[in-house]
Amino acid sequence: DQQVKQNSPSLSVQEGRISILNCDYTNSMFDYFLWYKKYPAEGPTFLISISSIKDKNEDGRFTVFLNKSAKHLSLHIVPSQPGDSAVYFCAASAGGAGSYQLTFGKGTKLSVIP
Amino acid sequence: GAGVSQTPSNKVTEKGKYVELRCDPISGHTALYWYRQSLGQGPEFLIYFQGTGAADDSGLPNDRFFAVRPEGSVSTLKIQRTERGDSAVYLCASSRGLAGEQETQYFGPGTRLLVL
Repeated sequence: DQQVKQNSPSLSVQEGRISILNCDYTNSMFDYFLWYKKYPAEGPTFLISISSIKDKNEDGRFTVFLNKSAKHLSLHIVPSQPGDSAVYFCAASAGGAGSYQLTFGKGTKLSVIP
Repeated sequence: GAGVSQTPSNKVTEKGKYVELRCDPISGHTALYWYRQSLGQGPEFLIYFQGTGAADDSGLPNDRFFAVRPEGSVSTLKIQRTERGDSAVYLCASSRGLAGEQETQYFGPGTRLLVL
């Protein structure tokens, strides 16, 4: 049973527009959420994170929103750039329960079209 | 500073052989993690070290998999009697390891293991 779900395997967006990547989770013990970006043949690169005590975190062009009641988070990229084309992974951990392992979704492949 | 490094970058072996995968974490990071990523999937947790000890090995799939971190820095993931299903990218990550804090894990480039 997948505890972190990214239901869109792929997404195409025009350069300059907003990219919205979605993630749902089922484990109510998750209290820390992260987004990673991955290029082919490279390891995941950390993008942005959010603690469960917040509902929004912003870093430059990247904003993550957390809706705990819906067990849903989203990553907004604006404006989107061709260099943002990559696979984006949503990850979660339940550190408050003493576990620091990350549980990942399957990823969403973002293509930003020039 | 230098990021997480992993060697080798690629490893091809035959079914039944033994392999070792190495991870060198970010200097000063006391927490180290191993994950495995199969094709089309997200990374899956294998084991977590805090210092020299394995704090959580609940993700190791069976007793053919073992990992060590004898001096609290470099870690080696060991796979005995490899099977074709072990083919995957093995990722290592590290974090500062501050007690009680949620931390960002920083990943290495991975080792691509192919078992023929």
